[in-house]
Amino acid sequence: LAKTTQPISMDSYEGQEVNITCSHNNIATNDYITWYQQFPSQGPRFIIQGYKTKVTNEVASLFIPADRKSSTLSLPRVSLSDTAVYYCLVGDNNSGYSTLTFGKGTMLLVSP
Amino acid sequence: EPEVTQTPSHQVTQMGQEVILRCVPISNHLYFYWYRQILGQKVEFLVSFYNNEISEKSEIFDDQFSVERPDGSNFTLKIRSTKLEDSAMYFCASSGGQGGYNEQFFGPGTRLTVL
Repeated sequence: LAKTTQPISMDSYEGQEVNITCSHNNIATNDYITWYQQFPSQGPRFIIQGYKTKVTNEVASLFIPADRKSSTLSLPRVSLSDTAVYYCLVGDNNSGYSTLTFGKGTMLLVSP
Repeated sequence: EPEVTQTPSHQVTQMGQEVILRCVPISNHLYFYWYRQILGQKVEFLVSFYNNEISEKSEIFDDQFSVERPDGSNFTLKIRSTKLEDSAMYFCASSGGQGGYNEQFFGPGTRLTVL
C-alpha cells in the first residue's frame, strides 16, 4: 500500500477556500486516490475519488498532477460545519475486497 | 438516502463478557466491513465479509472476534471475551462492489466501553 503524508492540522475561516495536500510518492499504477471526511463520534464519509487530473463533485474538487505523487483536496468556501478530520487514502482499484487503510488525517478547524 | 445503521449506539460491558454489535448494511450492497477507532487514534480495519465468508482480516481480528450474517439484513461482530483494550468505536461499513473505487458507506458506530 502506498504510504500517504498529509498535514496534521489546518486552520481556516468561514468563506475561505481550503486546500489539503497529500503526498503519496509510492503510488502504484492501479491505485486510486480517495478522500474521506470524519466528524467527531461519526463514521467516515466518502468525499471524492480520482485517478488523474481533476475531479469535481458538489462537495469538493480533487487535483492530481501528472506524476500522481500528490493530490490536493479543495473545499470551496468552507463553513463551520466543515470542521472535521480529512483522510487521504490510496489503494488498488482492482484488489478485490477493498480495505481502507486510514492514516491520522488532517484536522481542519474552521473558525467564524 | 439509504444508510448503514448500527445498534446499540453505546454498549457498556464487564471485562470477560461477550458482546455482539449489530449492523444493518445498505440493502443491495454485497461487501461488509468492520473497523474500529480507539479514542484519539486512527480508524483501523478489522475484517471484510463477502458471500457469507470472511474475505480479509487484520491482525487485530484474532480468535476472540467473529462475524456473521445471520439473515439477509443483519451483519454482526461478536467479541467473545472482552478486554479493556477492546474499548473503542466500532464502525460497520458496506459497499456495492469490489475495489477501492466503490465507496464504503459507514454506519454511525457503536461505542464499546469495557470496564
